[in-house]
Amino acid sequence: GAVVSQHPSWVICKSGTSVKIECRSLDFQATTMFWYRQFPKQSLMLMATSNEGSKATYEQGVEKDKFLINHASLTLSTLTVTSAHPEDSSFYICSAGTSGDEAFFGQGTRLTVV
Amino acid sequence: SQQGEEDPQALSIQEGENATMNCSYKTSINNLQWYRQNSGRGLVHLILIRSNEREKHSGRLRVTLDTSKKSSSLLITASRAADTASYFCATDEMGGFKTIFGAGTRLFVKA
Repeated sequence: GAVVSQHPSWVICKSGTSVKIECRSLDFQATTMFWYRQFPKQSLMLMATSNEGSKATYEQGVEKDKFLINHASLTLSTLTVTSAHPEDSSFYICSAGTSGDEAFFGQGTRLTVV
Repeated sequence: SQQGEEDPQALSIQEGENATMNCSYKTSINNLQWYRQNSGRGLVHLILIRSNEREKHSGRLRVTLDTSKKSSSLLITASRAADTASYFCATDEMGGFKTIFGAGTRLFVKA
């Protein structure tokens, strides 16, 4: 299957700072990527849909000014958690795929805000 | 947003037994996928079943899909301790593009 790489795999940051997470499709072009968040012992919750060259579409309840998404190319989407707080500590996962087919997921990024 | 429910929420069985997990969803779908996730790790794709399929097999896995009931089941036969993980169903909504996950079932296989 196609490969989606996420970086970093884990990050610890201080409260109030911003953190950028990258999601890359290594062997295919992804016009659309998705960002999920997963709290401990919970399921993956879709945060936003990232479209290359246009603004992301955020799910209800997700603050677009706090979670900045940029999809500058067909192989790269970034999620920036701005002014991070301890409650933002979570597992963030991206995926890329095409409608009707398997979605390919990155390995996830564990964010810890101290 | 979450598509639907999975049951049971947790399942504990002995090695060698079969494990069955169920998933229900709310909207019409293009396909349904099952994933495994070991604690604190990424997702492992297990199987994809399309909306026009009723049953699919992959090794010790058997997936069924009933679109009239908006439900799916995952059967793991002859379970092993290494099957201990959380299992999620995920649906691609018809006319949409995003994958929505169910709540998940935590499976524990005792050796």
